[in-house]
Order: sequence, then C-alpha cells, then structure tokens
Amino acid sequence: EIVLTQSPTTTAASPGEKVTITCLASSSVSNMYWYQQKSGASPKLLIYSTSSLASGVPDRFSGSGSGTSYSLTINTMEAEDAATYYCQQWSSNPPTFGGGTKLELK
Amino acid sequence: QVTLKESGPGILQPSQTLSLTCSFSGFSLSTSGICVSWIRQPSGKGLEWLATICWEDSKGYNPSLKNRLTISKDTSNNQAFLKITSVDTADTAIYYCARSLPYFDYWGQGVMVTVSS
Repeated sequence: EIVLTQSPTTTAASPGEKVTITCLASSSVSNMYWYQQKSGASPKLLIYSTSSLASGVPDRFSGSGSGTSYSLTINTMEAEDAATYYCQQWSSNPPTFGGGTKLELK
Repeated sequence: QVTLKESGPGILQPSQTLSLTCSFSGFSLSTSGICVSWIRQPSGKGLEWLATICWEDSKGYNPSLKNRLTISKDTSNNQAFLKITSVDTADTAIYYCARSLPYFDYWGQGVMVTVSS
C-alpha cells in the first residue's frame, strides 16, 4: 500500500500568514486529494485532482504537486482555517490517508 | 442536495458483529460511476478506509481487515451497509460513510461505535 507522510504534524500560523502542508507518497501517485476536519466535525473535501478547489472552498486554498510530492497551501491564514488537514490518494488500492497536520491559530 | 447518515448499535461487546447502515439521498447507487465507502477514525487519530461498493456491485476491502468486512447495498432504498465480524476494542471509532468518486466528496456526520465488555 502507498504510505502518505504529512509534514509538519502540527503547526501554528498568525492571521494573514501563508501556510504550506506537504504530503510525500511512498510511490508515485497521479492525483492527491485534501480534506479539512474541524474539531467534532466530519472531514470536508477541499482539493480534488491535486489542484481543483471543491465547491464552496475559498480561493486562498490551493494544491499542487506531482509524482511523490504534493502540497496544500493556504495563502492567507484566517481564524476559521484552524483544523486538521489530511491528504489522500487512490491511484492504487487500498486508498490511503496521510496522518494529518494540525493547524492552529497563533 | 447530497446527504448521508450513518446508524449503528452505539456499543457492543468483543467478539460480536458490528452492523452499520448508511442512508443517503441526493444521488443513486445505480448511477454509473457512483460508489459509497466506509471510513473510520479512532478518537484523536487519523482516517482509515475500510471498504467501498460501487454502482455495478463491485466491492473493495482494506486488506488489513478484509476477512472481517462485508459491504452491501440496497439500491432501491438508497442504503449501504457494512458488517465487521469479531470486533474488539481496537474497532472503537467514529464510522463514516462517504460518496466516493474516487475522492470522498460528501461525508455523513459519523456514528460512534464503542466496543467494550
């Protein structure tokens, strides 16, 4: 199975700050998906097909990458972005998730 | 409007069989390309994919749990089901169902399942 390793595990950002979360895959994948999970809530799709924004997602979020290295960027941190973020691949079975990155508001 | 809602027993004892139901609306599991998956999350931990069933009745299971999982669907009633046999405390988690495209674009609210003697 493909192992996804996210970094950092935990980070904090001030309002207006840029945040980048990295997801490294143990083998090459063709696409990466990203989810946001706020405390006590279900995960929410943010990015699909590496760089496409899901419906209703603010354009301060963006995704990029290829092969084994992908990233999620929040261009300007807002208080509502404090959450845990997960990457996910389904280029090969079984689909797997990264371990998560907890983003806190500084 | 796509919605999904999970239901389950809440608490069960080790060695019992866990039966979960996902009731959904806003899409049909008879539509080409549509699948429904089960994903779980132990408290304070990450997400683990369990199983997927698709419109043409193909099924996929997490190899680490494959022998214990059975996924099925009732297309006419817009429901998907998951059974996990021989549960133990490690199966204590929130269980989500999600529409799968192959990403998970809509999620249910989740149902907490506790395995305890």
